[in-house]
Amino acid sequence: AQTVTQSQPEMSVQEAETVTLSCTYDTSESNYYLFWYKQPPSRQMILVIRQEAYKQQNATENRFSVNFQKAAKSFSLKISDSQLGDTAMYFCAGSNAGGTSYGKLTFGQGTILTVHP
Amino acid sequence: EAGVVQSPRYKIIEKKQPVAFWCNPISGHNTLYWYLQNLGQGPELLIRYENEEAVDDSQLPKDRFSAERLKGVDSTLKIQPAELGDSAVYLCASSLEDDNEQFFGPGTRLTVL
Repeated sequence: AQTVTQSQPEMSVQEAETVTLSCTYDTSESNYYLFWYKQPPSRQMILVIRQEAYKQQNATENRFSVNFQKAAKSFSLKISDSQLGDTAMYFCAGSNAGGTSYGKLTFGQGTILTVHP
Repeated sequence: EAGVVQSPRYKIIEKKQPVAFWCNPISGHNTLYWYLQNLGQGPELLIRYENEEAVDDSQLPKDRFSAERLKGVDSTLKIQPAELGDSAVYLCASSLEDDNEQFFGPGTRLTVL
């Protein structure tokens, strides 16, 4: 079983600045995936970025990058050059890479990010 | 390409009434998920289908909840009878087989009075 914890209920950042959202996880699996999802006020959940646990290189998608610290079980999301459209709830999530629970996403509690002009 | 479609978007019912939610996944996606999202929290998986087979329904409260995906395409989630605590957003998601990227629908917001 996995547990995912987001300790920042709310964060704010000025437009064009950089912000980092924190996430810690715990799992007994040796291989797993970690994700950051974005849920704007319209409530459509969108995948932002994903990381495979066996890959040492941190994933990057344009302005979004992660800092994956496997030993510390930490998976933070960095948003560079923040834009007003980045305002949303951000969820950290994990899933096992195989077995009967493959594909089951375990979500954290979420962090509300507000980007101010 | 159309995304995951859910209907209705909003539903208000009185407690003890039945309610049903419908989901049509992205064409070609054989894996379908139903999630429950309480206000201010992350979604929790209710059931996962591979084609028409429910491969993980361990989190589905089977005394009042049921789901079906008869032809392996669209799916229906039912609650009978609804309770006040069932007020939440019900999200549907789909993915390709062996791909862990899930695509979510807009959700159905249920209010039980």
